Amino acid sequence: NAGVTQTPKFQVLKTGQSMTLQCAQDMNHEYMSWYRQDPGMGLRLIHYSVGAGITDQGEVPNGYNVSRSTTEDFPLRLLSAAPSQTSVYFCASSYTGRTNEKLFFGSGTQLSVL
Amino acid sequence: GQQLNQSPQSMFIQEGEDVSMNCTSSSIFNTWLWYKQDPGEGPVLLIALYKAGELTSNGRLTAQFGITRKDSFLNISASIPSDVGIYFCAGRNSGNTPLVFGKGTRLSVIA
Repeated sequence: NAGVTQTPKFQVLKTGQSMTLQCAQDMNHEYMSWYRQDPGMGLRLIHYSVGAGITDQGEVPNGYNVSRSTTEDFPLRLLSAAPSQTSVYFCASSYTGRTNEKLFFGSGTQLSVL
Repeated sequence: GQQLNQSPQSMFIQEGEDVSMNCTSSSIFNTWLWYKQDPGEGPVLLIALYKAGELTSNGRLTAQFGITRKDSFLNISASIPSDVGIYFCAGRNSGNTPLVFGKGTRLSVIA
């Protein structure tokens, strides 16, 4: 049972480079989301999706784009990386409805922007 | 946006001791959740609370949904080394709003 799979595990970028963080889940979850974790800041929501073709902004969306073309995948794009985007990124998914707060998290992507 | 105040920020305890941590909000929440994050991993759900006053246990862990709906606490009894990690509270106040997370309590257990 794969659950929520994030790739890559680690990434180093130069300022201005672009990249996509991949997230896939095999649990047929409708709800998917991206968080970033910074020391002393906890988990902050970047973007989320309640189903294929539907996305919405979270608390800290600037500098990030998302799309949801399939139920399984929810990639996070950094169009022009900045040092402030150095962080650990987590993808999480769940069923919709009353149980959609039981988020299942991936193991994270540690991103460094130089 | 909504904020959750989680305390303490960190704890150092002896193995075998009991642990208590809490989370408060300025607004009413309908759901409270507690997660644990092991080093290098994503958070894992420990306990979910859906009703004011609800008290729920999961092994040595016990969590309560405050009757004012603005707070929750987590207790760990007889701590062991594998309890080390970061504990997050999370909450939501309506059916379609995303979860809001606290900043976490980092627990260290001294053997």
